[in-house]
Amino acid sequence: GGIITQTPKFLIGQEGQKLTLKCQQNFNHDTMYWYRQDSGKGLRLIYYSITENDLQKGDLSEGYDASREKKSSFSLTVTSAQKNEMAVFLCASSIQGAQGNTLYFGEGSRLIVV
Amino acid sequence: GDSVTQTEGQVALSEEDFLTIHCNYSASGYPTLFWYVQYPGEGPQLLFRASRDKEKGSSRGFEATYDKGTTSFHLRKASVQESDSAVYYCALSDHGGNNKLTFGQGTVLSVIP
Repeated sequence: GGIITQTPKFLIGQEGQKLTLKCQQNFNHDTMYWYRQDSGKGLRLIYYSITENDLQKGDLSEGYDASREKKSSFSLTVTSAQKNEMAVFLCASSIQGAQGNTLYFGEGSRLIVV
Repeated sequence: GDSVTQTEGQVALSEEDFLTIHCNYSASGYPTLFWYVQYPGEGPQLLFRASRDKEKGSSRGFEATYDKGTTSFHLRKASVQESDSAVYYCALSDHGGNNKLTFGQGTVLSVIP
């Protein structure tokens, strides 16, 4: 089996600050994802990456940057933190290819903006 | 674009009650449909999936049947337990092979012993 590790578990920052979340996976999966989780709104896709150095925008990419430095890691940057962005951010990975492959999620990182 | 709608935002049941969480989707063709479950402090994990009309997915006593005619994938369980308390997400996968999932709003299930 494998695991997805997200760091930090809690990220506290000030309004306007640039903040970065990190994700590591040891599944050797090709594709990685960042989702934002808000109560009552489900999970919304921010960015995904199908291979090292690839980036694809999701539905909620405005205000975020992402970086896939190597196959096992995928980071997400909030470019200018706002109080209405406080949410849980979930990283996931999957095998590239056939439709319907399972996504494996990390435990999430909670962003708190003060 | 694709969308998933879960009718119930919160459901409160007693142990041994019957559970139904409604899920309807909008997408072209035959998307793969999923149910994910998220326990407190954990990330979502796959409960089961289905890829074809009339296919039934099931796991841990939960089940759902892919219905292309009504574009639905309702989650049911005959007798819930306190340990089933969690958030349940219905989702669909697009056809692009990138396995991007579109999720519903989530349903918080609370089972009272």
